Amino acid sequence: DQQVKQNSPSLSVQEGRISILNCDYTNSMFDYFLWYKKYPAEGPTFLISISSIKDKNEDGRFTVFLNKSAKHLSLHIVPSQPGDSAVYFCAARSSYNQGGKLIFGQGTELSVKP
Amino acid sequence: KAGVTQTPRYLIKTRGQQVTLSCSPISGHRSVSWYQQTPGQGLQFLFEYFSETQRNKGNFPGRFSGRQFSNSRSEMNVSTLELGDSALYLCASSWDGQLNEKLFFGSGTQLSVL
Repeated sequence: DQQVKQNSPSLSVQEGRISILNCDYTNSMFDYFLWYKKYPAEGPTFLISISSIKDKNEDGRFTVFLNKSAKHLSLHIVPSQPGDSAVYFCAARSSYNQGGKLIFGQGTELSVKP
Repeated sequence: KAGVTQTPRYLIKTRGQQVTLSCSPISGHRSVSWYQQTPGQGLQFLFEYFSETQRNKGNFPGRFSGRQFSNSRSEMNVSTLELGDSALYLCASSWDGQLNEKLFFGSGTQLSVL
């Protein structure tokens, strides 16, 4: 039972354009969402998060949108840079599950071409 | 401030053996979580420890176990290794693992079971 899904295994965009990474979830108890970026042979690094009481959160070039009714979130990267090439994971947690239990999607590999 | 440290980085074991992985959290962090990353399954939650107690557990067999020491350092053990246990094992720490708190990941231990 995949509660968090990233249906696009890969995405390729041109440098300077917008990258949009999508994530769907099925568990309505999820109330906090995070995006992580991962390079090969390294651990995931935190990018941006959003609480379910918001529908948008921005941090520099990164914006996360949350559509609770559709159980969908997306990460926008504008403008995209070659250094953004990595695997991006969305993750969700529920306040009913105490602590550090995150449910991750399968990841989307972003390639930004110069 | 030092990040999350995992040792060893790489391990090669044979079926039937057991293995112990170590994780030192960021100084001051009391919650330590473990995740397994495989190409087919993404990142899956193993368990979380807080103040030397297991607070959360994922859907893994009893061959996977862990513990946390009084200095918050954690170890996970896998007994009777199977080929399917080959994966990247990631440790993450946070202050107390509560909602709206991001997790900081280590670089992982790459385990290969032959």
